[in-house]
Order: sequence, then C-alpha cells, then structure tokens
Amino acid sequence: AQKITQTQPGMFVQEKEAVTLDCTYDTSDQSYGLFWYKQPSSGEMIFLIYQGSYDEQNATEGRYSLNFQKARKSANLVISASQLGDSAMYFCAMSGTSYGKLTFGQGTILTVHP
Amino acid sequence: NAGVTQTPKFRVLKTGQSMTLLCAQDMNHEYMYWYRQDPGMGLRLIHYSVGEGTTAKGEVPDGYNVSRLKKQNFLLGLESAAPSQTSVYFCASSYGVDIYNEQFFGPGTRLTVL
Repeated sequence: AQKITQTQPGMFVQEKEAVTLDCTYDTSDQSYGLFWYKQPSSGEMIFLIYQGSYDEQNATEGRYSLNFQKARKSANLVISASQLGDSAMYFCAMSGTSYGKLTFGQGTILTVHP
Repeated sequence: NAGVTQTPKFRVLKTGQSMTLLCAQDMNHEYMYWYRQDPGMGLRLIHYSVGEGTTAKGEVPDGYNVSRLKKQNFLLGLESAAPSQTSVYFCASSYGVDIYNEQFFGPGTRLTVL
C-alpha cells in the first residue's frame, strides 16, 4: 500500500520569498512517480510538477522545483519568489504500478502575504 | 478541446434520494477515476476504470456504483444518498499505466445530502 504524508496543515510566506512544502511517502513499489497539484479557492486541480523514482535530477518547472530525496522518502515542493496567486491548497500525490492510481496526501494550505 | 467536464456542478439531495454524476473527457484517455474530497483527508479514490466496459473499486467504494459504457464517459451513481456522502467529487482521466500518469481533473461537483 502507498501512503503520502503532508505534515504542514498551513504555511505562510511573504511575497517574493521562497517556501518549501513537505511531503513524505511510503511504498513497496520499485517504480513510482511523485506529483504536486495546486488547488486554488476556485476548486480546480492544477498539475504542477512530476518526479519519477528513477530520475537522477530534481524536477523543475519554472518557479517550482521538487526536492527529491529517495533515501529519506521525501518529495518536497519548493516555490521560489512567491506570488499572491500562489495562495492555494497544495497536494502531494504518488503513482505506482497499480493501474495508474494516485494516492494523495492531506494537503497544505499556503498563504502568501503581501 | 474541453478536457474533462462534470455535470452537475452543484447538487442538493435529501437522504435516500438517488442521483448520477456524469464525467466526460475528449482526450481519448483509457483510464478514468472518481475521487471524493473531504476536509483534512485529501482526495480518496472511489472507483476507477481501465477501459470501456471495465470498472474497479478504489479506496472508498461503499455506497457508490459506476459505469463506463462509452470510452469518453464515466458515470458515478448514488443509489440511496446519505449525509456522509456530502463531499466534493472529482473525476479525472489519464493515458495509462506508466508511473508518469498525470491525471487531468474535471472542475468538481459539490454535493450536499441533507
């Protein structure tokens, strides 16, 4: 069984600063993928970034980067130069070998202050 | 190209009533999923489908039924609604089983059962 843990119910950051959202995972699969989704107050789920378990380099997508530490089973999301529009709920999720299903964490609410 | 659409967007039911939520995707995806989102619990998989005519149970299937008669549509049914089924329901679709299984989400349906 897979499990995703996000231990930060809420995070606050000042505009233009960087912030790290924590995610730890547990799985018995040898191959797996790690995802981050953003859910703004409007409710839609927006894909941000992906990291494969065999990828040697950390994934980056614009201001988003994924700090992947396989030995520690962590996949933290780093947002650089925070913007007011980054205020949202953020979900960490993982895939494995079971029909593409995603297992989600509980989410972290990020609030960006001006 | 509408992506993933869900109808209705909002619905209020009385305990014991039945309803069907419709999900449609125009990306020719094989895999489709139904999730529910509850506060503090992230997204939990209800049922999923790996192709037309096939369905399988997810993490929280009790009280729900699904059908996938056409590849582009995935229906979620509540035969006798209960207050515990008050939630936001998301449909998602994806290409397939690879661990890089980005799921594309619909806008969600907010269901209240009185």
